[in-house]
Amino acid sequence: EIVLTQSPGTLSLSPGERATLSCRASQSVSSSYLAWHQQKPGQAPRLLIYGASSRATGIPDRFSGSGSGTDFTLTISRLEPEDFAVYYCQQYGSSWTFGQGTKVEIK
Amino acid sequence: QVQLQESGPGLVKPSETLSLTCTVSGGSISSYYWSWIRQPPGKGLEWIGYIYYSGSTNYNPSLRSRVTISVDTSKNQFSLRLSSVTAADTAVYYCARGWEQWGQGTLVTVSS
Repeated sequence: EIVLTQSPGTLSLSPGERATLSCRASQSVSSSYLAWHQQKPGQAPRLLIYGASSRATGIPDRFSGSGSGTDFTLTISRLEPEDFAVYYCQQYGSSWTFGQGTKVEIK
Repeated sequence: QVQLQESGPGLVKPSETLSLTCTVSGGSISSYYWSWIRQPPGKGLEWIGYIYYSGSTNYNPSLRSRVTISVDTSKNQFSLRLSSVTAADTAVYYCARGWEQWGQGTLVTVSS
């Protein structure tokens, strides 16, 4: 089973700042089958990024994903008020796993 | 755009079987992977398993002995059964189209 470790656990930033979230895998993620999801309180998660770097339909271009192998990054170029949420990475290779989440909170 | 809706009992007794159904609308279930994911209160996401429309399945190894996912293409539905539940199975259960599109989730509480 591939274990995904996200860091930091919590990121305290102000609107307009840049957010950089990390997701590290215990072994290589095949074919960059890596996704990022955003979850706000009381809501279902929403897909942001798939294939490590492709934005899902309707996702603003301030969200970008990068990485391959075992190291992946989600970057939010300029935080908007609606971006404060919890972010999960997920690998969807042969068996799927989620990271434990990174909470982006208002500083 | 495809929409997914979970349905089933919100309360299940310990040692019994949890059963949920996901109804897919706005698109055919006869393609893609269809998955179940859960989230205990205040915790992170846990993948339960998926089924391909053809019927092949893949389950989380930690739950494999208790999980069955099935699909009914005639009803555009897929289902989850989780046997021998305990309080640790209390969670919001989400159905999803693969990793792409999520249902709103349904809370299932395991309690006598």
